[in-house]
Amino acid sequence: SAVISQKPSRDICQRGTSLTIQCQVDSQVTMMFWYRQQPGQSLTLIATANQGSEATYESGFVIDKFPISRPNLTFSTLTVSNMSPEDSSIYLCSPTLYPTDTQYFGPGTRLTVL
Amino acid sequence: EDQVTQSPEALRLQEGESSSLNCSYTVSGLRGLFWYRQDPGKGPEFLFTLYSAGEEKEKERLKATLTKKESFLHITAPKPEDSATYLCAVMNSGYSTLTFGKGTMLLVSP
Repeated sequence: SAVISQKPSRDICQRGTSLTIQCQVDSQVTMMFWYRQQPGQSLTLIATANQGSEATYESGFVIDKFPISRPNLTFSTLTVSNMSPEDSSIYLCSPTLYPTDTQYFGPGTRLTVL
Repeated sequence: EDQVTQSPEALRLQEGESSSLNCSYTVSGLRGLFWYRQDPGKGPEFLFTLYSAGEEKEKERLKATLTKKESFLHITAPKPEDSATYLCAVMNSGYSTLTFGKGTMLLVSP
């Protein structure tokens, strides 16, 4: 496997503000995914972060709300924009490590919006 | 649409009491079935990947099996440290994303 780090680990934010979450991987990454996990729920895929191009979003998620960057193979950011209390959740990055198709997960960012 | 159903939703065992968790799935073409363990407040930890019916994998007290319609995670003589939520996910052969079940919350009492 690999070391996957996320920053921040947790944050409390005010309604209407934005937060950028960083994900860094210390190994060769083929694909990078971002998930949301709401309290007591399973994981929901937000988008696939493509290196050097626009992310691919799942139904119900849009770029204006969740802009994603992936400037290189091992680093990606997810921004949660114009936050509301409904955005309170755990956000997880999930890289696929070369040469497998197994998705590993970062430790998560716990976001609370007041 | 791919679907994953896990049962039971919650399971309480005594230490040493073996049991199985079920993951039923519907997918147009299975590329792989994945099991993860998740502790409270942490990201999921990868356990196993199964690719074809009849395949089995083991790790310590855990053994995962796969048929064409479901997968089982067998827990033999569990210990309290096995307490966690166990997640099952499938990957469709047509793309690289995972569809997750809602998980089984396992509590093992000493």
